[in-house]
Formats: sequence, structure tokens, C-alpha cells
Amino acid sequence: EAGVAQSPRYKIIEKRQSVAFWCNPISGHATLYWYQQILGQGPKLLIQFQNNGVVDDSQLPKDRFSAERLKGVDSTLKIQPAKLEDSAVYLCASSLVALSGQETQYFGPGTRLLVL
Amino acid sequence: AQSVTQLGSHVSVSEGALVLLRCNYSSSVPPYLFWYVQYPNQGLQLLLKYTSAATLVKGINGFEAEFKKSETSFHLTKPSAHMSDAAEYFCAGKHQGAQKLVFGQGTRLTINP
Repeated sequence: EAGVAQSPRYKIIEKRQSVAFWCNPISGHATLYWYQQILGQGPKLLIQFQNNGVVDDSQLPKDRFSAERLKGVDSTLKIQPAKLEDSAVYLCASSLVALSGQETQYFGPGTRLLVL
Repeated sequence: AQSVTQLGSHVSVSEGALVLLRCNYSSSVPPYLFWYVQYPNQGLQLLLKYTSAATLVKGINGFEAEFKKSETSFHLTKPSAHMSDAAEYFCAGKHQGAQKLVFGQGTRLTINP
């Protein structure tokens, strides 16, 4: 079974530029998550999708971050404009469903972003 | 609100020694708890999870964790460390029915030859 795919793996941009990350979840997984992991910290949830609907985006900085999952499969996360403090690893995860809380989230390898 | 605390940002043990990584949670309701491992430049991989079926949970790579409600703890152990265990370990938790998985800050495990 293929895992969660993410691209690109690394990205270096200058502040005020825009950047987009792509995620392809495990086939059949209805729930998709984007996390931000700053160096030395645990992942922090940015947004959660159930199929193509947003379940939780309470910690997404909506003035500069946006995400979509138009067909309920792939997802993109965009930052525009980027700030220095956005330097982090952006992790995508997916799970079958998110009803009981027991489900396992499967993580992709992440995209490492450096903003100069 | 659910929170997860990992005691010790860095743990160092000798090869063959016991590994003990500490995790405490704060919750007013029984939680679901998870341990993930992250190798350099990779995503997180599930080691084990507690879902109230059994307090002692066995995971992959010889790891296990025990849920102790009286101590609000879910410490991760392995009897004998191997060099390949060197990685970052994250404890995470969520309430029953909750959507959000809350992570601890991580513990970096170093194995000395």
C-alpha cells in the first residue's frame, strides 16, 4: 500500500514570496491533515479536511495560509506571502475516518521550507 | 483541554540499556494516546497507541507503553536499546470523539555505542 506522498521535499524562498505544497493521501482515506512542525517542537495542526470539507482550521493563519481539497483526494497548502517564521516542516497526514478518535494518522515525509 | 507533556527533550542511553521516555497527559476524560517516531528527514511513524482496550500496549520494534490513569502517564519503554532506535519520539493524545491530535514537544533519543 502506497503511503502519503508529499512534494516538494525541500523548498527555499525569500520572504514575501509565495509557495505551495502538495499532498496525496493514502487511497481511500477520507480525512486529511496539514501540520506545521517548527524545529524542536511537536507538530501543530493547521487544518483538517473530511472529504472535501473543512473540519478544523482554527489554527490556520488565514491572512496568509490557505488550503484546499477540491475533489476530496489531493490537497494543496499555500502560503502567500511567506514570513521568516514560516520556516518549518509541513507534514501531511491521512486517516480512514475521524469519528471515534481511535483512528491512526499516517504521515507523509514532509516538506521542509526555509524562508530567507 | 487536552495537553501532552514530554519530560526531557533529550535522552541518551548506552546500546543495550533500558530506554524510558516519559509522557504525561492532562485530561478530564479518558484519552486516546499515541507514540510516534520520527527519523531524520522523514515523517512520523506510529509506534503504538492506547485505546482503552489494555493498559499495557505493545508496539513495533520492541517498544511498549503502559497507561497509568492514577499517574496520568503513558511512558514508552524498550528493554534493550539498539543503535537504530536513535530518533525523535513524540507522544500525542486526543479525547474520545475529538478531532484534534495534540503532540508533545518531542524527545530526541541518542544511543551511545
